[in-house]
Amino acid sequence: DAGITQSPRHKVTETGTPVTLRCHQTENHRYMYWYRQDPGHGLRLIHYSYGVKDTDKGEVSDGYSVSRSKTEDFLLTLESATSSQTSVYFCAISAEGPSVASYNEQFFGPGTRLTVL
Amino acid sequence: DQQVKQNSPSLSVQEGRISILNCDYTNSMFDYFLWYKKYPAEGPTFLISISSIKDKNEDGRFTVFLNKSAKHLSLHIVPSQPGDSAVYFCAASAMETGNQFYFGTGTSLTVIP
Repeated sequence: DAGITQSPRHKVTETGTPVTLRCHQTENHRYMYWYRQDPGHGLRLIHYSYGVKDTDKGEVSDGYSVSRSKTEDFLLTLESATSSQTSVYFCAISAEGPSVASYNEQFFGPGTRLTVL
Repeated sequence: DQQVKQNSPSLSVQEGRISILNCDYTNSMFDYFLWYKKYPAEGPTFLISISSIKDKNEDGRFTVFLNKSAKHLSLHIVPSQPGDSAVYFCAASAMETGNQFYFGTGTSLTVIP
């Protein structure tokens, strides 16, 4: 199994409070991703990183920010949590992104269940 | 706007029989497709993939078929086993979307012993 951990695994918070979720990998993979999983939507990409300090937006980035100061850590921050951000959040990693020659599958962490009251 | 769709939320199959999970997509630029399997309280795990230059890829009990003209792919599991009971997600990507994979909503498979 790819070495990916997420912390915390569960969090309950109140509307308007800031929340930071952490993803830590031991694989030295270049690419890291944050997804959210919601009923009826599957997994949707929030942000991703293609290197230290290199990040880009995904499909549902509004209300979220990310930072990657080290290869192994990718942080997802909800500056002011809202009830619509109640979800299960998954971090994923891949060795490389897609290239002309090949793609690389993504390996997922165990998830963080976030509840915003 | 869901670019990858799994129209069957659930599927039940007897042990030993074939399970067929379906996935449709709308973006004709997608050129790489994957299936992930997810158990409760765990992250998704990669199962099998297929490039658009192929129409079939097989790995043990798992086979993925791609019909580009119909924008449809399917995952066949033969024979189905109780341990295959999980939620299955299909995902698609295109060079133009960079590193973004688009996931379907998932199909919950139950294999009945």
